[in-house]
Amino acid sequence: AQSVSQHNHHVILSEAASLELGCNYSYGGTVNLFWYVQYPGQHLQLLLKYFSGDPLVKGIKGFEAEFIKSKFSFNLRKPSVQWSDTAEYFCAVNTGFQKLVFGTGTRLLVSP
Amino acid sequence: NAGVTQTPKFQVLKTGQSMTLQCAQDMNHNSMYWYRQDPGMGLRLIYYSASEGTTDKGEVPNGYNVSRLNKREFSLRLESAAPSQTSVYFCASSESWTVTDEQFFGPGTRLTVL
Repeated sequence: AQSVSQHNHHVILSEAASLELGCNYSYGGTVNLFWYVQYPGQHLQLLLKYFSGDPLVKGIKGFEAEFIKSKFSFNLRKPSVQWSDTAEYFCAVNTGFQKLVFGTGTRLLVSP
Repeated sequence: NAGVTQTPKFQVLKTGQSMTLQCAQDMNHNSMYWYRQDPGMGLRLIYYSASEGTTDKGEVPNGYNVSRLNKREFSLRLESAAPSQTSVYFCASSESWTVTDEQFFGPGTRLTVL
């Protein structure tokens, strides 16, 4: 069965710092990849997704992620974080059906 | 347009009690899902309904039952609650079972079983 690893459980950054959150998955076939975000007190919402094509995917709020097939990775990046980016971030994968497998999440705290 | 709504927001049960978590969506979506979120575990799929009239087990179905009441509503029932079912429960929906469709999530139900 496929699995998703997010090695950074907690990340603390100052405003304007650059962000990179790691995500690795275990599946050798075709995958679809997602990053979801949960802001404090809010619903889980989609940041970005990758299905095919350009491995560099741009999402909302200035986030982007790069799919590197050879490394089984889909890391999330943002060049300059803001206090409002404080949230929990989840990487997820599916392998052909709508059964998403989520990572354990990374809590990001951005200090002003 | 409320999206995906869940009731109740919070619930405390005693071991052995039963309850039903309600979920409704107003986006005319065909597919609906129930997840649980535990500390350090991420979200795990309990049951899903690819379309009205169908339901199927996900990764962690034991101790739960579901009903797809109509296209809008998908309920999750705990027949005899156990402390291991203490968790946050999320309902989600997507336009179809097609893998490219985004899943939209509800606000969650925080359940504690004593």
